[in-house]
This record gives sequence, structure tokens and C-alpha cells, in this order.
Amino acid sequence: GIQVEQSPPDLILQEGANSTLRCNFSDSVNNLQWFHQNPWGQLINLFYIPSGTKQNGRLSATTVATERYSLLYISSSQTTDSGVYFCAVVPGSARQLTFGSGTQLTVLP
Amino acid sequence: DVKVTQSSRYLVKRTGEKVFLECVQDMDHENMFWYRQDPGLGLRLIYFSYDVKMKEKGDIPEGYSVSREKKERFSLILESASTNQTSMYLCASSSPGQGGANVLTFGAGSRLTVL
Repeated sequence: GIQVEQSPPDLILQEGANSTLRCNFSDSVNNLQWFHQNPWGQLINLFYIPSGTKQNGRLSATTVATERYSLLYISSSQTTDSGVYFCAVVPGSARQLTFGSGTQLTVLP
Repeated sequence: DVKVTQSSRYLVKRTGEKVFLECVQDMDHENMFWYRQDPGLGLRLIYFSYDVKMKEKGDIPEGYSVSREKKERFSLILESASTNQTSMYLCASSSPGQGGANVLTFGAGSRLTVL
């Protein structure tokens, strides 16, 4: 099956810093989503972005489908950004999402 | 504003017990999913359903079964719980959107401990 690799696995930032999270995938995809899981376990969809660039406030995401990677940018980080960020993809032949193992982000005050 | 509700936030069961995890969504979504989450492994798909009374195996279906008698409800069943099924269980739903996208909405999760 498709492999989804996220980097870095762990990231610690001071409040106000910027960061870039990366998601590499091993096959072509028709669906790519980024999620944030807060410290209480709730997963929230951040972006649906199979290609191109989207922005939502301090967060933005870019997917370069031809090169099989996606980036999530967090600017001016806040403590509430802490949690695990997951990338999930749907390969061309499938119908369900496959998740990466996540990036654990800790933002210190 | 709750959209995907999982019946139990925390459960403790004994080995061999039958366990039911219930999930209800109020968004009239066609698709429903059960994942389990373990440290370092991300989310792994157990079962999913694209219609009432329909189910398909995910990546790790062994030891689990599911039931979808109504569109809004998707139940995960552990016929005989084992300690290696101690995990966080996450239910999600989706509906094909623009361009065929299936954007997932998750419940809050059910943390199961099997003793």
C-alpha cells in the first residue's frame, strides 16, 4: 500500500516562531488532508488540499502532487497550536484515507 | 454543535468480554469509519461503511466486527476483547463533496483499556 511519511516526528517551538511540517507519499493521490489533534484527542480537519496552496489564518498548506509531497506552514505559533499534526491521503485506486504517523508539536510560552 | 458522537469516552473491560463502541453522526453522511490510534503508528483503519448494511474491511480488521443498521449509526464490536486491543478508537464520517472529496469529521474518541 501507499507509504505516508511525516517529518519531523517531534518539534518544539517558542511561542511566536514559524514552522514547516512535511508529508511525503509514495504514490499518486487524489485526496490529501491535514488534521490537528489537540491534547485532549479531538481531531480537526485543517485542509483538504490534493494540489495547490490554501491559507486559513496563520496556517497554510501547499501540495506538489507531481513531486509527491505536501507542506503545512504555521506562522506566529501559539500554545494552542500544540498537538499532533497528521497528513492523510487517498491513493488513486482507493476510497479511504491512509494516515501518516504524525508530527508532535509543542509550543512553549 | 456536536456532529459525531462516540458513546463512551473511557472504558475498562476484562479479557474475553464483548465490547460495543457506538458512533452516531447527525450530518446525514454516507460514509463512516472506525480507526484505532496507537503511539507511533498514527491512525489505522479497522472497518468502513459507504451505505446502510454495507461494510468493508480496512487495514486491521482482525478481532473486530461492525454493524450499520441505520445511516447515522456505526458500531464497532470486539467479540472477545484482548489486551492488545487496548487503544484509542476514533470514529469518523464523511460525504462526497466538491470534486469527490471526502473530508472527515471525527468524534472525540473512545479510550479502551482491556485488563
